Amino acid sequence: QVQLQQSGPGLVKPSQTLSLTCAISGDSVSSNSAAWNWIRQSPSRGLEWLGRTYYRSKWYNDYAVSVKSRITVNPDTSKNQFSLQLSSVTPEDTAVYYCVRGNSDWTFDYWGQGILVTVSS
Amino acid sequence: DIVMTQSPDSLAVSLGERATINCKSSQSVLDSSSNKNFLAWYQQKPGQPPKLLIYWASTRESGVPDRFGGSGSGTDFTLTISSLQAEDVAVYYCQQYYSTPYTFGQGTKLEIK
Repeated sequence: QVQLQQSGPGLVKPSQTLSLTCAISGDSVSSNSAAWNWIRQSPSRGLEWLGRTYYRSKWYNDYAVSVKSRITVNPDTSKNQFSLQLSSVTPEDTAVYYCVRGNSDWTFDYWGQGILVTVSS
Repeated sequence: DIVMTQSPDSLAVSLGERATINCKSSQSVLDSSSNKNFLAWYQQKPGQPPKLLIYWASTRESGVPDRFGGSGSGTDFTLTISSLQAEDVAVYYCQQYYSTPYTFGQGTKLEIK
């Protein structure tokens, strides 16, 4: 059974960098059939896919254009986890952030518990 | 980006009755080479992450009750709950995974009448 355990601060100041980590159990971040995604949810923007990292003989990343200049998703093979960094945050980035596994069919079958991140001074 | 539009925004159905939720994509999500529709449905209950119900537009995820059914092709899709149970009260989302950025509908809130 795959489990995703999220960690990170719930409060970030404007202009700073939001950093979250997702620890994977029951699968590998280096899996050749999975992708590791970050999705956020807010009342104003709904469910919004932010980006992903995945391994297919080499590492790939895809990012949403809306955050492309500010986002980094990195795998950490030594700890079997992946991370999200979102720089220059504003109150518009306030949301519940989820880490999510994309399976071999590219659908989102396992979700972390979600972390509410509030951007406020 | 592919825009996903659901209707209605909210729906109240009596226990045991049929519930139907519609989803329309701004462009086709049918891959002609595989003949598969890259469309999924999720259920979200308060305080929980979304749960995958249906993928390839009509394939139920393991463990999902068979009262949940998906249909449609191209740009028009439907989620049907054949006989509404109390535990089905939730918000339902469609999502396309045909191309990045993957996008979701705005959600349909399903309640008991």
